[in-house]
Amino acid sequence: NAGVMQNPRHLVRRRGQEARLRCSPVKGHSHVYWYRQLPEEGLKFMVYLQKENIIDESGMPKERFSAEFPKEGPSILRIQQVVRGDSAAYFCASSPWDPQLGSPLHFGNGTRLTVT
Amino acid sequence: GDSVTQMEGPVTLSEEAFLTINCTYTATGYPSLFWYVQYPGEGLQLLLKATKADDKGSNKGFEATYRKETTSFHLEKGSVQVSDSAVYFCALSDRGNQGGKLIFGQGTELSVKP
Repeated sequence: NAGVMQNPRHLVRRRGQEARLRCSPVKGHSHVYWYRQLPEEGLKFMVYLQKENIIDESGMPKERFSAEFPKEGPSILRIQQVVRGDSAAYFCASSPWDPQLGSPLHFGNGTRLTVT
Repeated sequence: GDSVTQMEGPVTLSEEAFLTINCTYTATGYPSLFWYVQYPGEGLQLLLKATKADDKGSNKGFEATYRKETTSFHLEKGSVQVSDSAVYFCALSDRGNQGGKLIFGQGTELSVKP
């Protein structure tokens, strides 16, 4: 079974460009989470999605950031008009059902975004 | 709000030494507690968890006990190996939230020398 697949592994963007980060969850998993890891910090929750629905986006910046998890295809985290402060590692995690019921999160290897 | 505080790293040990990484938390409810490990260039993997007071989570020789009275979940291992070198994250999940919405500590880097 393939784990959570994120691409690209490394992404370099100039200020003002758009960044699109993709996450394919473990096959059969319908819950997806995005986390951001700033240098020297722990992971911070951004958004929780189920197929075609955003369940909790309380950790998402109000502007420039959006996320989707369509019925078909990967989950996408989109950052418009990137700034240097967006440079971070972005991790996606998935689970087959609500992890609080016992299913742990499966994390991808992350996308490391560098804004120049 | 809820928070997790870990001892600062990096922690450098010799092989077969005893390991303790301290973790304390603040939560308004009754959280579940986790330790995750991140090897270089990889994502996080669940190492162990505990869901209620006095529970002990264990895996691969690592242990942590959920101490409600001291709001702590310290990670221990009796004899570390070079392959344990990684970054370790303590995390909590408030039962009032969706279980995947974890609050992480800042991470503790462990380096084990042969």
